[in-house]
Amino acid sequence: GQQLNQSPQSMFIQEGEDVSMNCTSSSIFNTWLWYKQDPGEGPVLLIALYKAGELTSNGRLTAQFGITRKDSFLNISASIPSDVGIYFCAGQLNQFYFGTGTSLTVIP
Amino acid sequence: GAGVSQSPSNKVTEKGKDVELRCDPISGHTALYWYRQSLGQGLEFLIYFQGNSAPDKSGLPSDRFSAERTGGSVSTLTIQRTQQEDSAVYLCASRLGVNSPLHFGNGTRLTVT
Repeated sequence: GQQLNQSPQSMFIQEGEDVSMNCTSSSIFNTWLWYKQDPGEGPVLLIALYKAGELTSNGRLTAQFGITRKDSFLNISASIPSDVGIYFCAGQLNQFYFGTGTSLTVIP
Repeated sequence: GAGVSQSPSNKVTEKGKDVELRCDPISGHTALYWYRQSLGQGLEFLIYFQGNSAPDKSGLPSDRFSAERTGGSVSTLTIQRTQQEDSAVYLCASRLGVNSPLHFGNGTRLTVT
């Protein structure tokens, strides 16, 4: 299957700091998606990106669909304790392919 | 309900037994997916249903795994003769159309003892 390289694998940050994570692929995708997963729950959609170069915000979250269509990043500004969780990127062709996740820990 | 519903939320079974996991997608969603998530790992694609088309079974790890979707709605994932390595969270997701994102249920945590 398609490989999505997501980095970093884990992050430990102080409350109030900004966070940046990204995904890269050797394949071109039609859609990039970012999800957050809390313990014991399914992934929840944060942002969906449909066009190369698209920059979309959702509150303190900002994500971009790379111009080459092979990458995407997610930024979280002014982190708060409830941002803790695992963040997954996903790229869509006919299938959805998921990154291996970024585990975020926010230290109050 | 408004979201994807999965049952049971937890299942403990003995090695060698069969299990059935159920998924109720969001009403009107044409596509349904099953994923497996092992502890601390990413999501592993298992099978995908789109409308009345033949399902994409390319992710099923062995012939002990099968799934069906009845009436274009509810889906059941069956694992026969369970093994300890089958222990994982099984996630179901659905989507409205081709350009729509996936919406996930909360998963079934399967433990094979």
